[in-house]
Amino acid sequence: AQSVTQLGSHVSVSEGALVLLRCNYSSSVPPYLFWYVQYPNQGLQLLLKYTSAATLVKGINGFEAEFKKSETSFHLTKPSAHMSDAAEYFCAVSAPSTDYKLSFGAGTTVTVRA
Amino acid sequence: EAQVTQNPRYLITVTGKKLTVTCSQNMNHEYMSWYRQDPGLGLRQIYYSMNVEVTDKGDVPEGYKVSRKEKRNFPLILESPSPNQTSLYFCASILRLVAGGNEQFFGPGTRLTVL
Repeated sequence: AQSVTQLGSHVSVSEGALVLLRCNYSSSVPPYLFWYVQYPNQGLQLLLKYTSAATLVKGINGFEAEFKKSETSFHLTKPSAHMSDAAEYFCAVSAPSTDYKLSFGAGTTVTVRA
Repeated sequence: EAQVTQNPRYLITVTGKKLTVTCSQNMNHEYMSWYRQDPGLGLRQIYYSMNVEVTDKGDVPEGYKVSRKEKRNFPLILESPSPNQTSLYFCASILRLVAGGNEQFFGPGTRLTVL
């Protein structure tokens, strides 16, 4: 079985500061990992994904994440926050053989201070 | 334009009154899925479908039914809704990639309140 834990339900950052969202996973097989973003009153949009190729994955809107097997982590970062990054972010995991079955974390809400 | 549509977007109903939330995709994807989103719990998968007439339970299927008679449509049925099914529901259409991984295209959501 697969699961993820997102550390911190709320993160507040200043505009221009580093954004760091933490995700740790548990999986009985080498996992696929995903980050999704949800803007207010909208559905989820894929930011980036790891599927066992490069461990540093670059996504849309300047976000990137690094897969660290030894730490069972897949933290999401962005060097400089913009006001438009205010949203809820979800980490998700699946097994490669059943990658249509996603297990999501509880989500982290990001607020950006001017 | 590739999209997933859900209807209705908002629904208030009463306990025990059967309802259906429709979901339609225009991307010709074989896989589709339903999720519910609750504060502090993230999204949890209710049911998924691998193709027409092929469906299976997700993590929280109790109280829900689905059908997949056509590739584009995947309705969610609550035969006897209860207040604990008050939630935000998302349908997703899934593009599976040969190279691995997938991309799930989410609908705009349906906010359901059961009184």
